[in-house]
Amino acid sequence: EIVITQSPATLSVSLGERATLSCRTSQSISSNLAWYQQKPGQAPRLFIYGASTRATDIPARFSGSGSGTEFTLTISSLQSEDFAVYYCQQYNDWPRTFGQGTKVEIK
Amino acid sequence: QVQLVQSGAEVKKPGASVKVSCKAAGYTFTGKYIHWVRQAPGQGLEWMGRINPNSGGTDYAQKFQGRATMTRDTSISTAYMELSSLRSDDTVVYYCAREMASTGHHAFDIWGQGTMVTVSS
Repeated sequence: EIVITQSPATLSVSLGERATLSCRTSQSISSNLAWYQQKPGQAPRLFIYGASTRATDIPARFSGSGSGTEFTLTISSLQSEDFAVYYCQQYNDWPRTFGQGTKVEIK
Repeated sequence: QVQLVQSGAEVKKPGASVKVSCKAAGYTFTGKYIHWVRQAPGQGLEWMGRINPNSGGTDYAQKFQGRATMTRDTSISTAYMELSSLRSDDTVVYYCAREMASTGHHAFDIWGQGTMVTVSS
């Protein structure tokens, strides 16, 4: 099973600042990685797939990068609606696995 | 509008079974896999398995093999996940999610709203 480690667990950021979230996998997964945003009481929402492709209606301030075992989600200028938990997920191998999440909170 | 609509919250006793439904709308149900993911309160996401709505073929996470059963009814565009021998640690939210299967990418692009299952004596 591919283990995914996200860091940091919590990221405190001010409005308008840049946020960088990290995701590391225990084995190479090429670019078969997705990022999801989840707000309290809501289902996850797909933000990035293929490590760097934004999903439908996702703002350009979100960008994904990386391949192999190291991946990054960057939010260039945090808006109030961006405070949430972000999960990465690999779909290169079975079983599908998720990271434990990074909570982006207001500083 | 493309969406997945799940059945409502359930309360079950230990040892019982629960069956959660996931109704698809706005797209061809048989065209894309449906996955089931669960989440304990305040915790992360755990993949349980998937079903091919066209063939009925399934793949399960080893943890749920023998205890989870995923089925579908194509006449009503609905997928089901039944979990048996319920324990207290099955008290979680269950989500269904559609696999996008676009140009080789298999992320989950549409999610149901979630179904809370509480296991309590």
